[in-house]
Amino acid sequence: DIQMTQSPSSLSASVGDRVTITCRASQDITNYLNWYQQRPGKAPKLLIYTASNLQSGVPSRFSGSGSGTDFILTISRLRPEDFATYYCQQSYNSFRTFGQGTKVEVK
Amino acid sequence: EVQLVESGGHLVQPGGSLRLSCAASGFTFSTYTMNWVRQTPGKGLEWISFVSSSSRNIYYADSVKGRFTISRDNAKNSLYLQMNSLRDGDTAVYYCARAMVGYNYGPFDYWGQGTLVTVSS
Repeated sequence: DIQMTQSPSSLSASVGDRVTITCRASQDITNYLNWYQQRPGKAPKLLIYTASNLQSGVPSRFSGSGSGTDFILTISRLRPEDFATYYCQQSYNSFRTFGQGTKVEVK
Repeated sequence: EVQLVESGGHLVQPGGSLRLSCAASGFTFSTYTMNWVRQTPGKGLEWISFVSSSSRNIYYADSVKGRFTISRDNAKNSLYLQMNSLRDGDTAVYYCARAMVGYNYGPFDYWGQGTLVTVSS
């Protein structure tokens, strides 16, 4: 199985900050990496797919980069509604494993 | 508008069975692959099963293989998860999720609201 490891597990930030979250795959997954946002009590929401493609309707302050085993999610200027948990997910094979999540909290 | 609505979750004793349903609307269900994902209380997301559009290909996570069965009825626009031999560790919110078209194993572009399964004596 492909293991996905996110870092950090949590971070504290302020509105307007630039935030980066990393995700590492246990093997080369080319660009088959997706990012989701989950707010408390809600279903996950797709933000970025295939490493760098912005899902329709997602604000442009979200961006993704990387390939192979190392990937980054960047929020350029944090807004109040962005305090949430973020998950990466590989879609290289049928066993769509997720990272453990990164909680973005208010500093 | 794409909608996925899960149902069927409730309290069940260890060793029991449960069948979850996911009603799809707002898109051509028969052309999309579908998945079940669960989230244990306070924990992360775990993909547990996949079914192709025609049901030809089906996959399970090791944690549920041999106990859970995914199925779909394209005529009824519905996805199902039959869960047998339930364990305490199966307690979770269960989501159905649609995979984006155009990929062998697409990202999940729409999710249901989830249904809670509690396994406890």
